[in-house]
Amino acid sequence: KAGVTQTPRYLIKTRGQQVTLSCSPISGHRSVSWYQQTPGQGLQFLFEYFSETQRNKGNFPGRFSGRQFSNSRSEMNVSTLELGDSALYLCASSLDHRSTDTQYFGPGTRLTVL
Amino acid sequence: KQEVTQIPAALSVPEGENLVLNCSFTDSAIYNLQWFRQDPGKGLTSLLLIQSSQREQTSGRLNASLDKSSGRSTLYIAASQPGDSATYLCAVRRVRDDKIIFGKGTRLHILP
Repeated sequence: KAGVTQTPRYLIKTRGQQVTLSCSPISGHRSVSWYQQTPGQGLQFLFEYFSETQRNKGNFPGRFSGRQFSNSRSEMNVSTLELGDSALYLCASSLDHRSTDTQYFGPGTRLTVL
Repeated sequence: KQEVTQIPAALSVPEGENLVLNCSFTDSAIYNLQWFRQDPGKGLTSLLLIQSSQREQTSGRLNASLDKSSGRSTLYIAASQPGDSATYLCAVRRVRDDKIIFGKGTRLHILP
């Protein structure tokens, strides 16, 4: 069974631009979560989607948004990019959103903002 | 505020030794605790998931324990190998808002 895939793997943007990242979960998984990882802050939760609905959200500004499609694939969008948005963005999928469900992570998208 | 702390931040041990990684959390109201490993530039790999009602989980050379009352978890690695070199992260899923909070990890280096 294929794992979680994220595209693109690397991205370079300039301040003020916007970016869209994509995540395809493991087949059959309906829950997708997004995280931002930086050396200073570590891994921080962005949001979680289940059955096309955002069921949880972290403490990030409104410039960060996401959505989930009927096939469980998810996208996240960052508008008006800032230098501080440079990070590794990780997507994780799980079968459901139950506490017993293990999260499986993709390889991440490395975003660099110049 | 839920904080997850992992000490030490980095650790080097000779191959073959048994070792323990520590994770502490401030809010004991959690659904579960999960241990992950992350190789440089890669995503996270789940190692063990312990439900709040459980005391420990084992997988191969790995054993994770959970003591909710004291807010601590340990990851025990037996007979360490160079391939175990990675960053190990713990994460708790807290009850009050169902969010997963990560520690900053312990960077482990196994010396051949």
